[in-house]
Amino acid sequence: GAVVSQHPSRVICKSGTSVKIECRSLDFQATTMFWYRQFPKQSLMLMATSNEGSKATYEQGVEKDKFLINHASLTLSTLTVTSAHPEDSSFYICSASGGPGRNEQFFGPGTRLTVL
Amino acid sequence: DAKTTQPTSMDCAEGRAANLPCNHSTISGNEYVYWYRQIHSQGPQYIIHGLKNNETNEMASLIITEDRKSSTLILPHATLRDTAVYYCIVRVADSGYALNFGKGTSLLVTP
Repeated sequence: GAVVSQHPSRVICKSGTSVKIECRSLDFQATTMFWYRQFPKQSLMLMATSNEGSKATYEQGVEKDKFLINHASLTLSTLTVTSAHPEDSSFYICSASGGPGRNEQFFGPGTRLTVL
Repeated sequence: DAKTTQPTSMDCAEGRAANLPCNHSTISGNEYVYWYRQIHSQGPQYIIHGLKNNETNEMASLIITEDRKSSTLILPHATLRDTAVYYCIVRVADSGYALNFGKGTSLLVTP
C-alpha cells in the first residue's frame, strides 16, 4: 500500500514561535494533500486541501495567514503554524491522494503539537 | 456526502466477533460505504469499502443491506489491538475530495 510520512511526530514550542510540519508521500506522487486537525476526544476536522503547484483551499474558519500550506512538489506538502498559541495545540494529520487507487486517500501518522 | 449514524461506543470480548453497525439511509446510488479506524494518537487506517455487494479482506468483512441504507463492519476475531475509533463514511469513490469524518464508534476490546 501507499505510505505517507509526517515529520516531526511530536513537537513542543513556545507561544509566538512558528512550527513547520512536513507530509511526504514515500512511494507515490500525491497530486492532492489534505490537512486535518484533531482536538482531544473529537473527530478529524479538515483544515485545507492543497494541490501540487497551486494555492491551498482553506475550510471556513481556518486562517490562511496563520496556517501556511505549501505543496511545491508531488511528494511533499508542508504546514506552517505561524505565531503559535496554546489553543493551536492539537494533533495534525495529513493525507495524500494520487496513489494506487488514484484518488484514494492515505494518511500520515500525525504530528502532536503542544504550544506552551 | 450522505450522513451516517453510528453508536458512540461498543465493547467486545477478545477473540469474539465485533459487529459495528452504521446507518446511511440517505445514501445515493453512486456512493460507496468506507470504513476507517483510528487507533489512539495515530492517523486513520483504511479498512474496507463497498458499493452494494458484501466485501471481505484480510482485516474485516463489510455487510451492506439490500436497500443499502445500513451496513455492518465485522471484525471476525477481535484482538486487543483492534481497540480504536471506527468511522463509517459514505462518499463517491475516487471523488478526490476530503473525507468527512463523523464521530465514529469507539470500540473497546477487553481481555
